[in-house]
Amino acid sequence: ETGVTQTPRHLVMGMTNKKSLKCEQHLGHNAMYWYKQSAKKPLELMFVYSLEERVENNSVPSRFSPECPNSSHLFLHLHTLQPEDSALYLCASSQAGQGFSYGYTFGSGTRLTVV
Amino acid sequence: AQSVTQLDSHVSVSEGTPVLLRCNYSSSYSPSLFWYVQHPNKGLQLLLKYTSAATLVKGINGFEAEFKKSETSFHLTKPSAHMSDAAEYFCVVSDFVDKIIFGKGTRLHILP
Repeated sequence: ETGVTQTPRHLVMGMTNKKSLKCEQHLGHNAMYWYKQSAKKPLELMFVYSLEERVENNSVPSRFSPECPNSSHLFLHLHTLQPEDSALYLCASSQAGQGFSYGYTFGSGTRLTVV
Repeated sequence: AQSVTQLDSHVSVSEGTPVLLRCNYSSSYSPSLFWYVQHPNKGLQLLLKYTSAATLVKGINGFEAEFKKSETSFHLTKPSAHMSDAAEYFCVVSDFVDKIIFGKGTRLHILP
C-alpha cells in the first residue's frame, strides 16, 4: 500500500446509476487529484484540490462531480455516465506546492465499467 | 508550455540484458522530471525523480536516469532486466507548482 487508498477497486454501473468513488490518504498531504486513465490515451488530469479548495477543473463533464470534505478524503460522484467513461480512475496526493519537488503518491485506482 | 514525449510505445528486452526507455521533454523553465511505473491493475509508483540536483538519478529496483539539458532528455536505464520489471513506465515533467504532464507510456516486455 502506498498510503493512498481507493475504494472500490472495481465498479460496474449502468448509465442511469449514481455511484461514488472514494479516495483516502494518511500521508499528511493537503493536495489531492483525480486522474482518468483510458486505454491508449495519456493520463488525463480531471480535478485538483489544494487545501480543500478546487483549484483546477480540466473541462470535465458535469456528470463527474468531485467533493473534498477534508484534506484526507476525496470523492468522485458519478451519475448518468456514458460507456466511453469506462476507465481506470486514479487518485493522487501531494503536499500543496511541493509536488513539483517530491512527486505525487498514487492509489491503486478504481476500474470503472459503464454498461 | 511543457510537454513530454516517450519515444517508444513498446520495448522488448531479454531477461538479463540492459533496458533503455527514452523520454524527451520540452519546458520553458527548469523542470522537475519523474519516472513512474505501473504494474498491471495497479496504481503508479514513483521510480525516481530529478529536481535540479545531481543529473544522474538513482531510483528503486536498480533503475537510474540521466538528465541531459542539452538533449532535453531523461532516459531511464537498468543494467540487467528482470522478469518483474515487465510493466508500463511513464515519464512525467513538471515546471509549475501542482501541474504535471504525463507521457503516453512505454510498455516494457521481458523475454525469458
